[in-house]
Amino acid sequence: ETGVTQTPRHLVMGMTNKKSLKCEQHLGHNAMYWYKQSAKKPLELMFVYSLEERVENNSVPSRFSPECPNSSHLFLHLHTLQPEDSALYLCASSQEGSGANEQFFGPGTRLTVL
Amino acid sequence: AQSVTQLDSQVPVFEEAPVELRCNYSSSVSVYLFWYVQYPNQGLQLLLKYLSGSTLVKGINGFEAEFNKSQTSFHLRKPSVHISDTAEYFCAVSSPNTGNQFYFGTGTSLTVIP
Repeated sequence: ETGVTQTPRHLVMGMTNKKSLKCEQHLGHNAMYWYKQSAKKPLELMFVYSLEERVENNSVPSRFSPECPNSSHLFLHLHTLQPEDSALYLCASSQEGSGANEQFFGPGTRLTVL
Repeated sequence: AQSVTQLDSQVPVFEEAPVELRCNYSSSVSVYLFWYVQYPNQGLQLLLKYLSGSTLVKGINGFEAEFNKSQTSFHLRKPSVHISDTAEYFCAVSSPNTGNQFYFGTGTSLTVIP
């Protein structure tokens, strides 16, 4: 595998389910991100992990819980979601820096909450 | 705070015609600017970036963009588009002051008509 991979690619869940999204980067980066992409809206940054420590969460509801066990893996744990949480969830990684380093994105997980 | 405005949500253009996708940013500090492309069912891929130096930046797939500080713009251009350029295009801004955080526009959907 190369780049940034995400599993599953598609997920349908009920509002009472618990599920997890997985992201893995094979680029040797030390910062990882979760974004939410909804139609006609800018990408919403949800969480940033830099050197395996969370540095940003942008007031995301507690029904989203991130986990970064090491610099290559990032999870997003989901529970009691709402239909408005249906979106494409993108994972990205970059080298820690001053904002000049580009972010590399995975293909995303298309989440549908029924 | 920083923000990005992509003035056109949809741009249809005939094959082999030139195209310009507009991006304006709002920032009171020095910036780094990026253009990403998203093909259907894929993540975002970097087209080009401006960090410093020459204001004309060349990217992949024949795209280029020009940084205009006085107009706070970073428009993307291609002299002759192909069917395969049909995709969503996102402009993003970051700065030395915001660490790893990128601010994305709402995207422009480019449709190339045969």
